[in-house]
Amino acid sequence: GENVEQHPSTLSVQEGDSAVIKCTYSDSASNYFPWYKQELGKGPQLIIDIRSNVGEKKDQRIAVTLNKTAKHFSLHITETQPEDSAVYFCAASKYSGGGADGLTFGKGTHLIIQP
Amino acid sequence: DVKVTQSSRYLVKRTGEKVFLECVQDMDHENMFWYRQDPGLGLRLIYFSYDVKMKEKGDIPEGYSVSREKKERFSLILESASTNQTSMYLCASGGGSGNEQFFGPGTRLTVL
Repeated sequence: GENVEQHPSTLSVQEGDSAVIKCTYSDSASNYFPWYKQELGKGPQLIIDIRSNVGEKKDQRIAVTLNKTAKHFSLHITETQPEDSAVYFCAASKYSGGGADGLTFGKGTHLIIQP
Repeated sequence: DVKVTQSSRYLVKRTGEKVFLECVQDMDHENMFWYRQDPGLGLRLIYFSYDVKMKEKGDIPEGYSVSREKKERFSLILESASTNQTSMYLCASGGGSGNEQFFGPGTRLTVL
């Protein structure tokens, strides 16, 4: 089955700096890669996703890049703010159009924004 | 906005009890999922369903079963709760146009 590795497990950055979280996956058939943000006491919230037919996607201060050949994808957050502090999860799955497949998650990155 | 609700935020049960965790979504999504979240292990898929009365095993189905009698409701059942099932349980739902999944707030289950 799919295996997703996520690094680092903890990331501390100064407010205003950029943060990068990296993930690798093992199953070359995976074609959907979402990123979730989880704040304390809440369920994960989808913040951005990318499908295997594109290499990069951007939404305001966050962007995701995908390298299918190397089987890795990354989350980039620019101009970090205190409210970006949370645990971030990457995930991977296959979608064939005929029904859902579950997500395989990385173990998470605790992002800490230092004031 | 998609809304996924779970019946309880916190639940305490005794070993051997039968436990029901309920999840309801209001977006007419075909697909629903149950995950458990443990520190250092991330989220792991227990079961999912792509239609009423349909179910598929995820990565860790042992000790669990599910029920989907109505499209909006997906139940996770622990037939005989054990202490190693103490965890945070997260329900998610998603539509058929892609694989986006939207999560509920979670149920923190403690089995004593």
